[in-house]
Amino acid sequence: QVQLVESGGGVVQPGRSLTLSCAASGFTFNIYGMHWVRQAPGKGLEWVAIIWYDGSNKYYADSVKGRFTISRDNSKNMLYLQMNSLRAEDTAVYYCARKDAAPGALGIWGQGTMVIVSP
Amino acid sequence: EIVLTQSPGTLSLSPGERVTLSCRASQSVSNNYLAWYQQKPGQAPRLLIYGASSRAAGTPDRFSGSGSGTDFTLTISRLEPEDLAVYYCQQFGSSPPFTFGPGTKVDIK
Repeated sequence: QVQLVESGGGVVQPGRSLTLSCAASGFTFNIYGMHWVRQAPGKGLEWVAIIWYDGSNKYYADSVKGRFTISRDNSKNMLYLQMNSLRAEDTAVYYCARKDAAPGALGIWGQGTMVIVSP
Repeated sequence: EIVLTQSPGTLSLSPGERVTLSCRASQSVSNNYLAWYQQKPGQAPRLLIYGASSRAAGTPDRFSGSGSGTDFTLTISRLEPEDLAVYYCQQFGSSPPFTFGPGTKVDIK
């Protein structure tokens, strides 16, 4: 079945780096744009980044621009989010999500991975 | 950047009641690429509506979306106990960032 599984979350000190991974299965990964979305504890959803199906374009939220890098390996059906210079306000559940077959929506979501930035 | 505002912030209704949730954009959403998601406690979000008014696969027909331009609505025709959730709108306008609204929490009396 169509599935996204995130991994790589954990507790990290401010200023350090962490890389999240998202394993995709059950669909043709290399034809879909992919996104990262995060949710701070008790808060709403925040769109973080998008990468085009072929990796040719990447866009970021202002809150993470210059610190986070989205990437993908279509040969491995994997999506990544490299997070540098982490701050306390980056503490959140991070979801990877797939563009829906219909335009303008995220049709498939992973279960999320928790990142805690704390001294 | 398009800013989305949702109202009300929270509402508490009884099963069987009609629910109307609002999502307003700071500027027109291109192609009405406005999506609605449902997030139940402890779960990932789930797509309900795309293109402002098209139901995603598996969305019960008591959920409907409407609107265009800057004003959009999600309606639940008859509230069910399992509809307890937070509902978010998201816009996929002409360019990123693809912002979310702050959400509306639906409580069941």
